[in-house]
Amino acid sequence: GDSVTQMEGPVTLSEEAFLTINCTYTATGYPSLFWYVQYPGEGLQLLLKATKADDKGSNKGFEATYRKETTSFHLEKGSVQVSDSAVYFCALSDRGLTGGGNKLTFGTGTQLKVEL
Amino acid sequence: GAVVSQHPSWVICKSGTSVKIECRSLDFQATTMFWYRQFPKQSLMLMATSNEGSKATYEQGVEKDKFLINHASLTLSTLTVTSAHPEDSSFYICSNREGASYNEQFFGPGTRLTVL
Repeated sequence: GDSVTQMEGPVTLSEEAFLTINCTYTATGYPSLFWYVQYPGEGLQLLLKATKADDKGSNKGFEATYRKETTSFHLEKGSVQVSDSAVYFCALSDRGLTGGGNKLTFGTGTQLKVEL
Repeated sequence: GAVVSQHPSWVICKSGTSVKIECRSLDFQATTMFWYRQFPKQSLMLMATSNEGSKATYEQGVEKDKFLINHASLTLSTLTVTSAHPEDSSFYICSNREGASYNEQFFGPGTRLTVL
């Protein structure tokens, strides 16, 4: 079945540091890949997405590239801010061979703490 | 993207009582909504897929008689936790699906259920 593996947290960084959160996946079909962010006390928000191999999703300074050869979708940001402190979830939605389906499979989440 | 609201945002109830959680799609007619459960510091687990005008599809291991889902209109899905017990205490999140070709979901802010 489908699965998503994320690096365990918490990840603690100083402001302006470089961020990488690793994410790898297994899927039977042709998945779309997502990063969701959950700020304290709030629901999940879509951060970025990529729908096919070699696509790069980007938003708010965050980037992730869909790497089919390594089945990865690592999240990166060049300079983090305190306001980026949140839990980040990698997820996939496997369209399957027929192109249908939309169930999301989530990783366990990685908590990011950014300090001054 | 679509806006999803949930009500209530938090609820405390006594063991043995039933609790209803509402999920509304505010600006999009959602034929499909999803219900997730999130335990502290863990990922989201899909509980069921709510289909407008038909029975919900439950994931393996989820008791359909305990977690009643009703999707009577294109903008409202409800989850009723029947005869709640302390182990049902969790964060319940709904989402709807927009843009089938992208398999993208938009999440509600979640409902914190505490069963005493």
